[in-house]
Amino acid sequence: ELKVEQNPLFLSMQEGKNYTIYCNYSTTSDRLYWYRQDPGKSLESLFVLLSNGAVKQEGRLMASLDTKARLSTLHITAAVHDLSATYFCAGLMEYGNKLVFGAGTILRVKS
Amino acid sequence: DVKVTQSSRYLVKRTGEKVFLECVQDMDHENMFWYRQDPGLGLRLIYFSYDVKMKEKGDIPEGYSVSREKKERFSLILESASTNQTSMYLCASSSSGAGWGEQYFGPGTRLTVT
Repeated sequence: ELKVEQNPLFLSMQEGKNYTIYCNYSTTSDRLYWYRQDPGKSLESLFVLLSNGAVKQEGRLMASLDTKARLSTLHITAAVHDLSATYFCAGLMEYGNKLVFGAGTILRVKS
Repeated sequence: DVKVTQSSRYLVKRTGEKVFLECVQDMDHENMFWYRQDPGLGLRLIYFSYDVKMKEKGDIPEGYSVSREKKERFSLILESASTNQTSMYLCASSSSGAGWGEQYFGPGTRLTVT
């Protein structure tokens, strides 16, 4: 059964710094997703990673997927306050349409 | 743009009441999901549906039931609400065709049971 583990669970960082959130998953997963959630709001899709070596970038966020290591990363470059949110990764189960979510990483960017 | 709507943003109900949460999507998606989200526990899948009139239990179905009479609508029912069902409820939908797997979420319903 697919399990998804994120770390760290909480990240407090200074504006302008770089950091990486890690997402490990336990078994084969065809696709890996990253979502963002602002406080009190729903989940918004950030990235869809479909194959080994996939890299997607949007602004200061870059996501990558290494299927051999069963690892996805979300890299934050030169953080700004607006990036403060909770970030979830989710793996697609090998059979079916269910996503398995990580616990989420709460990111706080301090000025 | 995919639109997933939920009937209420906030709901307050009394213990023992029957509660209906409704979700509608406008993208002709085959798959629909109900999650609950609690602090420290992440998203937990309650029920999902691959097709009209079909439903499958997720990880925490106890105390809940669902109904999918039309493709665009997926209802979550709390037969007899209890205080431990106070939570944020999120509905999502996804396609089984192009772009399959990616789930689109509704705005959420924050339910309080007193």
